[in-house]
Amino acid sequence: AQRVTQPEKLLSVFKGAPVELKCNYSYSGSPELFWYVQYSRQRLQLLLRHISRESIKGFTADLNKGETSFHLKKPFAQEEDSAMYYCALLTGANNLFFGTGTRLTVIP
Amino acid sequence: DAGVIQSPRHEVTEMGQEVTLRCKPISGHDYLFWYRQTMMRGLELLIYFNNNVPIDDSGMPEDRFSAKMPNASFSTLKIQPSEPRDSAVYFCASSFADRSAQHFGDGTRLSIL
Repeated sequence: AQRVTQPEKLLSVFKGAPVELKCNYSYSGSPELFWYVQYSRQRLQLLLRHISRESIKGFTADLNKGETSFHLKKPFAQEEDSAMYYCALLTGANNLFFGTGTRLTVIP
Repeated sequence: DAGVIQSPRHEVTEMGQEVTLRCKPISGHDYLFWYRQTMMRGLELLIYFNNNVPIDDSGMPEDRFSAKMPNASFSTLKIQPSEPRDSAVYFCASSFADRSAQHFGDGTRLSIL
């Protein structure tokens, strides 16, 4: 069965510090992974997807199949990064499985 | 483009009542998804449609839940009868083509008393 695990419900970092939001997955097929973000009073929106291999708002995420991880990283956190972050796994059946989310707070 | 539109934004009703949540997907999108978000379980896929046809409803919790998509621009999620444990935020999302990014609505916050 597929599963997405985000071990941290809450994460606080100081402005300018590096941030890493952890995501581990379990899936027997070829995984396709995403990070979604929900800023305060805004809609849940796609942040990045692993197949794009891009940096969005300074965030990157690398798929590590050996460790079955897709951690989200940013070298220098900004206050505007404070939000709820969801890791998601898309299965072959086009089902998007979300983790339970991590609320990131960047302390000024 | 207003994006995915959901109504109502908030719904408070007594248990046993019928609840209908509505969703208008982004024009041109051929996939529509219904999710439920709770503190305990996070975001869960309930059902999704492709070209107005339900493809996978395995996430629908029980027979009290039903979803329809009579046309490409409208979908409903109905709960009858509602129970307090149905209280959650319900999201609708749509996407174009398989495996593309999903666009979410603002959600409906449902409280069953």
